[in-house]
Amino acid sequence: ILNVEQSPQSLHVQEGDSTNFTCGFPSSNFYALHWYRWETAKSPEALFVMTLNGDEKKKGRISATLNTKEGYSYLYIKGSQPEDSATYLCAFNWGNEKLTFGTGTRLTIIP
Amino acid sequence: DGGITQSPKYLFRKEGQNVTLSCEQNLNHDAMYWYRQDPGQGLRLIYYSQIVNDFQKGDIAEGYSVSREKKESFPLTVTSAQKNPTAFYLCAITMGQGAWQPQHFGDGTRLSIL
Repeated sequence: ILNVEQSPQSLHVQEGDSTNFTCGFPSSNFYALHWYRWETAKSPEALFVMTLNGDEKKKGRISATLNTKEGYSYLYIKGSQPEDSATYLCAFNWGNEKLTFGTGTRLTIIP
Repeated sequence: DGGITQSPKYLFRKEGQNVTLSCEQNLNHDAMYWYRQDPGQGLRLIYYSQIVNDFQKGDIAEGYSVSREKKESFPLTVTSAQKNPTAFYLCAITMGQGAWQPQHFGDGTRLSIL
């Protein structure tokens, strides 16, 4: 089983501040890296799927970068809002139909 | 989500009992997955199926069984051999072919032991 490491495990951020967190994955046999947002009492929602080294994706105030050579991806949230409170999961795919998920970063926005 | 329906939302199992969790989809997608989530852990893959009448073990298949007789249905049975079944179970589908396609999840079933 390949390891996908997310840090930090949890994070409290003041409303309006920007923040970022990390997903580390094996740098060999890379195929795709997924980011999901999981709000309480809802199902996980796909944010980004990244496949190329140097990829940058953006969705509103949320963006992500990818470095496949060193095996990490960053998720950035600009100007945090209360609705950003959620657990953010990354998942790694190395060329088959399976995803290996990290344990997630639980983000809490303080009003 | 309207395209994937998991039922029931809550389920209780007695010792030695098998229970079946339902996952139905009306999105006409081939690949379906079952995950388990425990506190402090990521989603762990139990079983997955890419086509009807075929399925593969995931990382933690012991104590579970599945069937895929119809494209729209992928039920998961938690057998009495699963000694620690208390967890949150999520069903997912892949929106299209290829591993770069995002997964789309149901609302989950929470299973507890009586």
